[in-house]
Amino acid sequence: EIVLTQSPATLSLSPGERATLSCRASQSVSSFLAWYQQKPGQAPRLLIYDASNRATGIPARFSGSGSGTDFTLTISSLEPEDFAVYYCQQRSVWPPTFGGGTMVEIK
Amino acid sequence: EVQLLESGGGLVQPGGSLRLSCAASGFTFNSYAMNWVRQAPGKGLEWVSGISGGGGSTYYADSVKGRFTISRDNSKDTLYLQVNSLRAEDTAVYYCAKGKTGTTYYFEYWGQGALVTVSS
Repeated sequence: EIVLTQSPATLSLSPGERATLSCRASQSVSSFLAWYQQKPGQAPRLLIYDASNRATGIPARFSGSGSGTDFTLTISSLEPEDFAVYYCQQRSVWPPTFGGGTMVEIK
Repeated sequence: EVQLLESGGGLVQPGGSLRLSCAASGFTFNSYAMNWVRQAPGKGLEWVSGISGGGGSTYYADSVKGRFTISRDNSKDTLYLQVNSLRAEDTAVYYCAKGKTGTTYYFEYWGQGALVTVSS
């Protein structure tokens, strides 16, 4: 099973700042990686798939990059509604697995 | 608009059973793989089970294999998860999730979740 390690565990930033979240895989997942956003009491929402493709309706301030074992989710300028927990997930090797999450909190 | 509505959660004793349902609307249900993903209280996400659009192929995480059964009724646009031999560690919110076009294992839309609590 592929282990996804997300860092940092918590990111404290102010609105308008740039957020950079990392996800590292225990072995190559090619580009088969997604990112999700989850707010308290809500279901996750797909943001990015295949490492860099934005899902339907996702604002352009969200971008993904990387391949192989190292991936990054960047939020170019944080909006108040972006403070949430973010998870990466791979589908390259069965079973699909998720990272432990990064909480983006208001500084 | 895609909608997924889970039901059937509740409090059950260890060793007990439940059947979760997920009513789908807003898309051609039989054209898409569907999944169950769970989240223990205060924890991360764990994929539990998946099923192909026609229902002929099913997949399970090792942690639930032999105890959980995924199925679907395409005439009713409904996904099910039969959960048996429940353990305390199965306590979680169970989400149904629609597979993205062309793949089973990107979770494009999610329901609001059904809480299953296993406790005596």
